[in-house]
Amino acid sequence: AQSVTQLGSHVSVSEGALVLLRCNYSSSVPPYLFWYVQYPNQGLQLLLKYTTGATLVKGINGFEAEFKKSETSFHLTKPSAHMSDAAEYFCAVSENQAGTALIFGKGTTLSVSS
Amino acid sequence: DSGVTQTPKHLITATGQRVTLRCSPRSGDLSVYWYQQSLDQGLQFLIQYYNGEERAKGNILERFSAQQFPDLHSELNLSSLELGDSALYFCASSASGGYEKLFFGSGTQLSVL
Repeated sequence: AQSVTQLGSHVSVSEGALVLLRCNYSSSVPPYLFWYVQYPNQGLQLLLKYTTGATLVKGINGFEAEFKKSETSFHLTKPSAHMSDAAEYFCAVSENQAGTALIFGKGTTLSVSS
Repeated sequence: DSGVTQTPKHLITATGQRVTLRCSPRSGDLSVYWYQQSLDQGLQFLIQYYNGEERAKGNILERFSAQQFPDLHSELNLSSLELGDSALYFCASSASGGYEKLFFGSGTQLSVL
């Protein structure tokens, strides 16, 4: 069965600092991996995804993530945090086969201080 | 705006009652997904429909049921409501039955008193 673990339910950074949100997954087949962001009072929006090919994927708003199979990780990074990045971030895994679900981690709340 | 419409935005009801949540997917999307978001459980997958047929099932209680209609809108029915059912219920849609990209609605906040 698939599962996702997000390390740290809350991460705080200063504006301009590096953002690192950690995600580890478990999957019995090559996974599809996603990061979604949720701003207050809104639904989730896709930040980026890894399906096949290049292991470093770039998303919107300057975020990127690297798929590391040996570490079963898909950490999300951004070189320089902006106040507008404050939100909740969800890592998700899917086997993308009929009958399977997109499973989300419990989320990490990112706070950005000036 | 994701293009996914959920109604109502807020719902307050009492224990033991039954409610129906409605979701209209993006135009052209064939697949609809329901998720429950709560503070203790996080975002839990409930069920997926594709073109009217059930495609995948998650941690959906027997008191809950869903369906997707010929016009592709979906309804999630919650019955015999308990305090613990209070949560934010999201609907998402995608063009195909896969998970290439889901578009989420803004959710229905259900409060069971």
